[in-house]
Amino acid sequence: DAGVIQSPRHEVTEMGQEVTLRCKPISGHNSLFWYRQTMMRGLELLIYFNNNVPIDDSGMPEDRFSAKMPNASFSTLKIQPSEPRDSAVYFCASSLMAGPLQETQYFGPGTRLLVL
Amino acid sequence: KQEVTQIPAALSVPEGENLVLNCSFTDSAIYNLQWFRQDPGKGLTSLLLIQSSQREQTSGRLNASLDKSSGRSTLYIAASQPGDSATYLCAAGNNAGNMLTFGGGTRLMVKP
Repeated sequence: DAGVIQSPRHEVTEMGQEVTLRCKPISGHNSLFWYRQTMMRGLELLIYFNNNVPIDDSGMPEDRFSAKMPNASFSTLKIQPSEPRDSAVYFCASSLMAGPLQETQYFGPGTRLLVL
Repeated sequence: KQEVTQIPAALSVPEGENLVLNCSFTDSAIYNLQWFRQDPGKGLTSLLLIQSSQREQTSGRLNASLDKSSGRSTLYIAASQPGDSATYLCAAGNNAGNMLTFGGGTRLMVKP
């Protein structure tokens, strides 16, 4: 398997523009996570899906952020409008929930976002 | 709210040393404790996962322990090598199963 795939790997945009980040989880995994990593706040969970359904989005910073998972093999994280403070590395991860046991999360390479 | 702390924030050791990285968490009602490695500019790679009912896990030169009652986990690296240089993050999984709270990481440098 190719692992978790994220695109784009780098994104530079201007304040106010819409940004869409994409993620393809590992085939067969039923949980998907979006994280944000900054020097100041470290790695934070934004939202996670189980079987394509959003389970907890309490980490989403504000209404400018939205995430969707239309099918088991694709998810998007959208920021509209973007602001300079959104600059960070955004990671997508996937895992397999097998009964009561939580399996390891596998991370993608991340998208480095810079909002000017 | 779970808080995870890692000490030290950075560590530099000569090659061959055995070393211990520390992780503490405030809420002992965790589902599991995971250790990850992150190389510069890369994503995270899972190293070890300890379920709440377990006390330790081993993989090669790595050994992770978990003491829920004291809110602590340690990652022991034996015979360190320059290739071990990276940032090591621990993460506590909450009782809902899937949500991880990460520590700030320990940046390790192993000098040849």
